[in-house]
Amino acid sequence: QKEVEQNSGPLSVPEGAIASLNCTYSDRGSQSFFWYRQYSGKSPELIMFIYSNGDKEDGRFTAQLNKASQYVSLLIRDSQPSDSATYLCAVNTAGGYNKLIFGAGTRLAVHP
Amino acid sequence: EPEVTQTPSHQVTQMGQEVILRCVPISNHLYFYWYRQILGQKVEFLVSFYNNEISEKSEIFDDQFSVERPDGSNFTLKIRSTKLEDSAMYFCASRRYGSNQPQHFGDGTRLSIL
Repeated sequence: QKEVEQNSGPLSVPEGAIASLNCTYSDRGSQSFFWYRQYSGKSPELIMFIYSNGDKEDGRFTAQLNKASQYVSLLIRDSQPSDSATYLCAVNTAGGYNKLIFGAGTRLAVHP
Repeated sequence: EPEVTQTPSHQVTQMGQEVILRCVPISNHLYFYWYRQILGQKVEFLVSFYNNEISEKSEIFDDQFSVERPDGSNFTLKIRSTKLEDSAMYFCASRRYGSNQPQHFGDGTRLSIL
C-alpha cells in the first residue's frame, strides 16, 4: 500500500515566523510532489510542486525534496494569519495516469 | 485564470437514488480525475479518465460508479443507488499533458445521503 505520511498538527507559529511542514512517502518510484492548501470546507488549492531533488522557491514558499530519504517539505516564510489552513502533501505515483496519493494533512495555525 | 467548475455545490439525495455530479475541466487539459473526501478524512482517488476512457480506478470505484464525457466540455460522475457512506465531498480535477503537470481542483460537490 502506497502511503504518504504527515504530522497532523496543529503546528502553531507566531505571525512572521517560518512554518516548516514535512511529508514522507513510501513509493520509491514516485516522481512528482505537490503541496496543496485546504481551508475548512473548501477544495485543495495548489501551492507548489517539485520533481527534482533540492529546493524550489516561489515567493514566501520553498519546497524541498530529498528522494533518497523519501522526504518532501514546505517552508512558509513570514507566516501570516491567512496562511492558517491544512496543508496537504500529495505524491504522483510512478507509472499509470498519475493519480495523486494524499497525506492526511498538517493543520497550521498562525497566531498574531 | 481558467478554473475547474463543478455543479451542484451541494446535493442532498435519499438513499437508493441516483446522482450525477458535473464538472467542466479546464479547456486545454487532457486528463480528468474524480476524488472524494469523507469528512475529517484524507482526499482519496476514485478514477482517472483520458482519451475518452477510464485509465485507472480505485477499489472504491465499484459498479455503483460510472464516469462519462458526454460532450467536449463536461465530465460527469454518476453514482447509482446511493448509500449513506457515499456522503462526502467530491472533487473533480484536471491537468495538462505531461507527467509532472499539476492537477487543478474544482470547488467540489458536497453530497449528503439521507
